[in-house]
Amino acid sequence: DAGVTQSPTHLIKTRGQQVTLRCSPISGHKSVSWYQQVLGQGPQFIFQYYEKEERGRGNFPDRFSARQFPNYSSELNVNALLLGDSALYLCASSLDWAINYGYTFGSGTRLTVV
Amino acid sequence: KQEVTQIPAALSVPEGENLVLNCSFTDSAIYNLQWFRQDPGKGLTSLLLIQSSQREQTSGRLNASLDKSSGRSTLYIAASQPGDSATYLCAGGTASKLTFGTGTRLQVTL
Repeated sequence: DAGVTQSPTHLIKTRGQQVTLRCSPISGHKSVSWYQQVLGQGPQFIFQYYEKEERGRGNFPDRFSARQFPNYSSELNVNALLLGDSALYLCASSLDWAINYGYTFGSGTRLTVV
Repeated sequence: KQEVTQIPAALSVPEGENLVLNCSFTDSAIYNLQWFRQDPGKGLTSLLLIQSSQREQTSGRLNASLDKSSGRSTLYIAASQPGDSATYLCAGGTASKLTFGTGTRLQVTL
């Protein structure tokens, strides 16, 4: 079975640009979450979606937005990129929004803002 | 606000040693505690998941314990191998998210 897949794997953007990251959860998983990991730090929670509805949002500015599609895949959008947005963006899927089943993470998208 | 702390930040041990990684959390109202492994520049690999009603979980050479009352979890690695070299992250699950520590960077030397 395929795990959590993320695309692209690497991305270089210029300050002020916009970026879209994509995630496909494990088949049967209805919950998708996004995390940002800055070098040397633990991942920080950005969003959780379950059944296409936002169920949680971390302490990130409105430049960050996300959505979940009917097939449970998800996109994370970041507008007006700043140098500080450079990070590894991780997507995680779970069977249920209440995290009773634990999370499975993808390999991440490495975003570099120059 | 949940805060998760991992000690030590880095650890170097010779091959074959048994070792313990520590994780502490401030909010005992967690659903579960999950341990992950991360290789440099890579995503997270789930190692063990302990539900709030459980005390420990085991997988191969790994054993994780959870004490909610004291806000602590430990990951025990038996007979360490060079392939165990990685960063180990613990995360407390509350509401709809995970709160991570900053990790312990482990190096197992020959």
